[in-house]
Amino acid sequence: RKEVEQDPGPFNVPEGATVAFNCTYSNSASQSFFWYRQDCRKEPKLLMSVYSSGNEDGRFTAQLNRASQYISLLIRDSKLSDSATYLCVVKPGQNFVFGPGTRLSVLP
Amino acid sequence: DTAVSQTPKYLVTQMGNDKSIKCEQNLGHDTMYWYKQDSKKFLKIMFSYNNKELIINETVPNRFSPKSPDKAHLNLHINSLELGDSAVYFCASSPRRAGANVLTFGAGSRLTVL
Repeated sequence: RKEVEQDPGPFNVPEGATVAFNCTYSNSASQSFFWYRQDCRKEPKLLMSVYSSGNEDGRFTAQLNRASQYISLLIRDSKLSDSATYLCVVKPGQNFVFGPGTRLSVLP
Repeated sequence: DTAVSQTPKYLVTQMGNDKSIKCEQNLGHDTMYWYKQDSKKFLKIMFSYNNKELIINETVPNRFSPKSPDKAHLNLHINSLELGDSAVYFCASSPRRAGANVLTFGAGSRLTVL
């Protein structure tokens, strides 16, 4: 089993749609959690950290369920510029472990 | 004033050659990493150095040798290149202090082995 698993995707949604990504992790010692975004042929960039109580940043909402070892990302009112691959990342120790990513295409 | 810079950006070479990729960060971070992203886009850790000391060394062939002359630099040398080494190699850095877990990536070095 992979250490971090995500929805396989791709997700093709119209502009304005709400889309949710799911992620599960296997290492219960993981202490820090993130969503990164990677545009085509670019480096990954931090989208947001994920806190136990859940957190929101504009149109983006992240949730963490430690008991289920589950992380989610909700994007509301999708924009064309949201098209990218979304990477779930957990940090059990010194290492940042990346999930395989879920590709999102927002269509006009 | 790029935060994490790696060179070269593109590298095309023949099987069997030896090549190096250099990485430098000006963020004052203590920890640096090398990740490999293959054709399936999966990002996998290769090495991590904390203040010049190797702390993570995943199952990577001996042909790959990282070198950290100081905490701002982490270079990757690859001997006897193979076709399967073709990938994008990302350097990254992060601060060590608790609560500051941001990982900052370089733009990547795309290696093609012919």
